[in-house]
Amino acid sequence: GAVVSQHPSWVICKSGTSVKIECRSLDFQATTMFWYRQFPKQSLMLMATSNEGSKATYEQGVEKDKFLINHASLTLSTLTVTSAHPEDSSFYICSAQGTGNTYGYTFGSGTRLTVV
Amino acid sequence: KQEVTQIPAALSVPEGENLVLNCSFTDSAIYNLQWFRQDPGKGLTSLLLIQSSQREQTSGRLNASLDKSSGRSTLYIAASQPGDSATYLCAVRGSGGSNYKLTFGKGTLLTVNP
Repeated sequence: GAVVSQHPSWVICKSGTSVKIECRSLDFQATTMFWYRQFPKQSLMLMATSNEGSKATYEQGVEKDKFLINHASLTLSTLTVTSAHPEDSSFYICSAQGTGNTYGYTFGSGTRLTVV
Repeated sequence: KQEVTQIPAALSVPEGENLVLNCSFTDSAIYNLQWFRQDPGKGLTSLLLIQSSQREQTSGRLNASLDKSSGRSTLYIAASQPGDSATYLCAVRGSGGSNYKLTFGKGTLLTVNP
């Protein structure tokens, strides 16, 4: 089945530093990848959609200069949280869709980011 | 704007009981509906995917139904086990211009007591 690998699973960083999170589709080509953010006991909120080879589309209220998304290949998307602050601490999850529209979405295992 | 509601927010049952989780959505123009399971601190595991033209899907002890016209879906879990304890999320994919987006409910936290 479709597998999405997300790394790291958790990271602690100091305020002002940048953190990169990787999302890889292991056994399929992901034309579209999505990045979500999840606060405790809340549902997932879509941050941005990235298509391979083009700029990401950000949801309203999401700072594109703070959350840099790169989708340079059909199997890898990265999310970089720049100049991280404690309020950026959250659970970030990526998902990917294969090349067939009948497929559902496959999610990564998530990254717990803590900014101190 | 699509809104997805899941009821109940939390459910606690004894092992072996059959149970139903509910999901409702406001815009019936959907492409498909997907049920996920999320364990604490983990990502999402897809359980069942129902296309808009389908009425139900089954996988093992799980059965999901879809009534698109009324904007409802249910996830039926038979003979529940402690290992079923998790948060169950319902998500719909729109069929309009932004047809790739998923809208999630807030989930139902299920606890199955041994």
